Amino acid sequence: GENVEQHPSTLSVQEGDSAVIKCTYSDSASNYFPWYKQELGKRPQLIIDIRSNVGEKKDQRIAVTLNKTAKHFSLHITETQPEDSAVYFCAASGYSTLTFGKGTMLLVSP
Amino acid sequence: DARVTQTPRDKVTEMGQEVTMRCQPILGHNTVFWYRQTMMQGLELLAYFRNRAPLDDSGMPKDRFSAEMPDATLATLKIQPSEPRDSAVYFCASGSGTGNTEAFFGQGTRLTVV
Repeated sequence: GENVEQHPSTLSVQEGDSAVIKCTYSDSASNYFPWYKQELGKRPQLIIDIRSNVGEKKDQRIAVTLNKTAKHFSLHITETQPEDSAVYFCAASGYSTLTFGKGTMLLVSP
Repeated sequence: DARVTQTPRDKVTEMGQEVTMRCQPILGHNTVFWYRQTMMQGLELLAYFRNRAPLDDSGMPKDRFSAEMPDATLATLKIQPSEPRDSAVYFCASGSGTGNTEAFFGQGTRLTVV
């Protein structure tokens, strides 16, 4: 089955800095790569996703890049704000289950 | 605003008791996932249904866990007998299509087995 590795497990940045979270996957058949944000005590919610027919996608301060050859994808958050503090999960999916990485706790200090 | 609904929100039970968690997927969604979240393991897939048929339950301990979809509006996850190591937050998520689309999560059930 699919295996998703996520790094780093924790990330501390100053407000205004950029944050980058990286993931690798094992199944070359995977073609859908979402990113979820989970605030403390709440449900995971989708913030951005990318499919294998594109290499980059951007939504305001958030961008995701995908390298299918190397089987890795990354989340980039620019101009971080304290409200970006949360746990971020990457995931990979083919035409079946959605497999998650173990999460990155992002802390943005004012 | 369509949402996945899970009940109960919190459950404290004694070791050995049966626990049943329920999930109402978003109307029209044909895919349902059950995940278990712990600090150590993150989000672990327990079961996956499409059109009410179980497609993958390889992550679920078969001796004590069972998952069903009696109808399209209800998914259940049962643990019998429960053990302290089952303490976790259990999330249900639903989606549409072939599976490689957004999964919408419920609020989760926080289970504590003492």
